[in-house]
Amino acid sequence: ETGVTQTPRHLVMGMTNKKSLKCEQHLGHNAMYWYKQSAKKPLELMFVYSLEERVENNSVPSRFSPECPNSSHLFLHLHTLQPEDSALYLCASSQDPLASGRAGELFFGEGSRLTVL
Amino acid sequence: DAKTTQPNSMESNEEEPVHLPCNHSTISGTDYIHWYRQLPSQGPEYVIHGLTSNVNNRMASLAIAEDRKSSTLILHRATLRDAAVYYCILRDVGNTGKLIFGQGTTLQVKP
Repeated sequence: ETGVTQTPRHLVMGMTNKKSLKCEQHLGHNAMYWYKQSAKKPLELMFVYSLEERVENNSVPSRFSPECPNSSHLFLHLHTLQPEDSALYLCASSQDPLASGRAGELFFGEGSRLTVL
Repeated sequence: DAKTTQPNSMESNEEEPVHLPCNHSTISGTDYIHWYRQLPSQGPEYVIHGLTSNVNNRMASLAIAEDRKSSTLILHRATLRDAAVYYCILRDVGNTGKLIFGQGTTLQVKP
């Protein structure tokens, strides 16, 4: 138990569906992250939120839409996905390094396994 | 972003020490050296991090070269549960502090 909870753990969706992934952290952190891990590939950073503002968007297609309503919750809204978007989506949180001046650790959830048919 | 180079895979025997190397010749002054590991079917977990001095914690030790262009993660007594992918990552706290993962080193531990 890392203090970062992701739901659902598994999701199967068609290309025309709209779904959302949810991440919740109970650690009092103020930075949250979405990563994508495809088979046999390194983790890819998708989005970074610091103090509820998006500070990083790594050229992610617009069919992925993040939302951070408060410092404890992070969503990834999915629509019109492609089969190649099938992957493990990992959420993480940390204290913001710019605000704290410290390079503290990231705490990861167990991930949401997404399959796009 | 400064990059790291690690061997693709390593093997170790159970209860023996393991030294996992990492090269980061383009490291900048504000880069911290982080190590994470990912066990099968789990998200990555933090192992250790450092800036200039060697660091120890309950999981491992981190030895950092004097010029900071390389580092070594040391597991003092490998167990079967240490079999994982180990990532050496440079984290720039002068930027957003993002962590960029590479391929990592897959560690196999033999009984």
